[in-house]
Amino acid sequence: NAGVMQNPRHLVRRRGQEARLRCSPVKGHSHVYWYRQLPEEGLKFMVYLQKENIIDESGMPKERFSAEFPKEGPSILRIQQVVRGDSAAYFCASSPPTGRNTEAFFGQGTRLTVV
Amino acid sequence: QQQVKQSPQSLIVQKGGISIINCAYENTAFDYFPWYQQFPGKGPALLIAIRPDVSEKKEGRFTISFNKSAKQFSLHIMDSQPGDSATYFCAASTVGDYGQNFVFGPGTRLSVLP
Repeated sequence: NAGVMQNPRHLVRRRGQEARLRCSPVKGHSHVYWYRQLPEEGLKFMVYLQKENIIDESGMPKERFSAEFPKEGPSILRIQQVVRGDSAAYFCASSPPTGRNTEAFFGQGTRLTVV
Repeated sequence: QQQVKQSPQSLIVQKGGISIINCAYENTAFDYFPWYQQFPGKGPALLIAIRPDVSEKKEGRFTISFNKSAKQFSLHIMDSQPGDSATYFCAASTVGDYGQNFVFGPGTRLSVLP
């Protein structure tokens, strides 16, 4: 009964490189949310995806950031040409496709460090 | 995404005391209000949740109070323990065309002193 799996747990990238963060939702969940958490701060919404669709990307920076949730495979958050300010913990959460008042389950996060 | 306001930003309580965290929302379409607890280095985990058809829900030392007319809800931690030291996030959700949307408050860092 696996929960939300994120990998890698820790990622170090040099400035200008690309970072790919993966999120496998709870089995049967078709909705994925990505959040960013800066040190000592709260959760900042980035993007909400359903299988093969971006539902709400209002929290995503306009440049360098993209997200996908393909029909098969994990959701990917991609950060191109990383900068030091991208250093943060990135959390993924998933929820079931239908139903009201259901819990969003979080992964353990990926801690990105840009050096 | 609709905003959820949360206060205080940080809270220090003596062991055995009561911790109170408050949240407020504006979107009356929200119909589910969970609280999440996050320990350092971990992902947030559901602590307790409430629907707007009840004014209070209690689970052990944790109680949610809900005021629908004021659009406010709060978390009370009775007999606070050092092990409760964590960051607490309130959230609100509603079911949209594509499923449930969650909006989180900015979080409250609780420190319970021994």
